[in-house]
This record gives sequence, structure tokens and C-alpha cells, in this order.
Amino acid sequence: KNEVEQSPQNLTAQEGEFITINCSYSVGISALHWLQQHPGGGIVSLFMLSSGKKKHGRLIATINIQEKHSSLHITASHPRDSAVYICAVGKYGNKLVFGAGTILRVKS
Amino acid sequence: DTGVSQNPRHKITKRGQNVTFRCDPISEHNRLYWYRQTLGQGPEFLTYFQNEAQLEKSRLLSDRFSAERPKGSFSTLEIQRTEQGDSAMYLCASSPRLAGSNTGELFFGEGSRLTVL
Repeated sequence: KNEVEQSPQNLTAQEGEFITINCSYSVGISALHWLQQHPGGGIVSLFMLSSGKKKHGRLIATINIQEKHSSLHITASHPRDSAVYICAVGKYGNKLVFGAGTILRVKS
Repeated sequence: DTGVSQNPRHKITKRGQNVTFRCDPISEHNRLYWYRQTLGQGPEFLTYFQNEAQLEKSRLLSDRFSAERPKGSFSTLEIQRTEQGDSAMYLCASSPRLAGSNTGELFFGEGSRLTVL
């Protein structure tokens, strides 16, 4: 079993819909990262969090340390949000372990 | 530009040749990471440096792979005697060190795509 599991693997939404991507992990962590990767390779850090909730624009990330679960929400989704969203956990000792990613496609 | 820079962006080579990739991190970041990503998969950890010290190396990194960060600034990743299975995107990231040895926010380069024929 992978240490970081994301769901769903693929997600297609209509513009304007509320989107949720989930991440579960099985190891002790120091922090959890949500990353966005567009076709062509570039990865951008969206959030780094170790507790509670963070919000940036239309993006919201939450984490429940006891349940070892995090969610990334996108409100009022837009076609430009189409990308791969990756959850990564920072293990004690600093090595990051990545989930396989969620491929999001938002249709107009 | 103060982002993470990688070069070359693309490298096509014949099996058996050696290749070297370079990463220039954000200047004030003391942590530098190398990851490998194949199509449809999330990045896999290869190795990381704190300043010039290589602190961890994945079992994925065979003896044909070597990474250096000689002055604690830029880093190189060399692959000797390349194999077709080495074809992947090689990603570099840097981060500042936070209190308690935790990792700060990651900043990624655009990656170096390797194709081994």
C-alpha cells in the first residue's frame, strides 16, 4: 500500500462546480503539501500545512492530523484550473513522499 | 529571476552515454531535492542535500547515478551508462529549512526531460 493515496485519480467537472480532492497518508508527517502540475512539467506549490485550514483565493486546503487525511477544495471551478493536483507529505527526516496525483479537467 | 533553474530542459541520448543535469536553486535556500517523474506518476524522491551535504539517497538511485552540490549552491545529477528505463523527467526543488528540521515550502524547477534511445 502506498504511503500517500489520493482520490479520485481522474476528475471531470463542469465550470462553476465545487471540487474536492482527497489525500490520505499512513505515516507520521511534519507537513503536507498540495502541488499543482500543468502539462509540460512545471510544479507549483499551492499549500503547505501541518494543521487546520488554509485558503488562497478559490482554493482551500484542510488537514485532519488524527485521521491522517487532507482535502483540497476548489470553489467556482474554471477551465484554467485543469491540471494535475499532487499531495505530498513531509516525513520526519524530511524526505517528501508524493501521491500519484489527481488529473482534473474542468469543462466550460 | 529568482526561481529554481534547471538545464538542459530536454536531453535525448543514446543508450550507454552519460548525461549530466544541473540545478540552480533559489539562492537563500539551503535544501535541494532531486526527484524523478515518469508519465502518469507522481514524483519519486531520489536524493536531497542540506547545503553541500547529501543527507539521504533513495534506493532508486543505482550506482550509475551520482549527485553533487559542491559549494552548497548549484547541484548536478549525473547518470552514467544510461538505459532506456532512465527516460523520465528529472525535477529539482529547493526549500528553506524551518525550525525543528522541518521542510519549508517547495519551489520546483521546470524539470529536465531525458529520453534514452
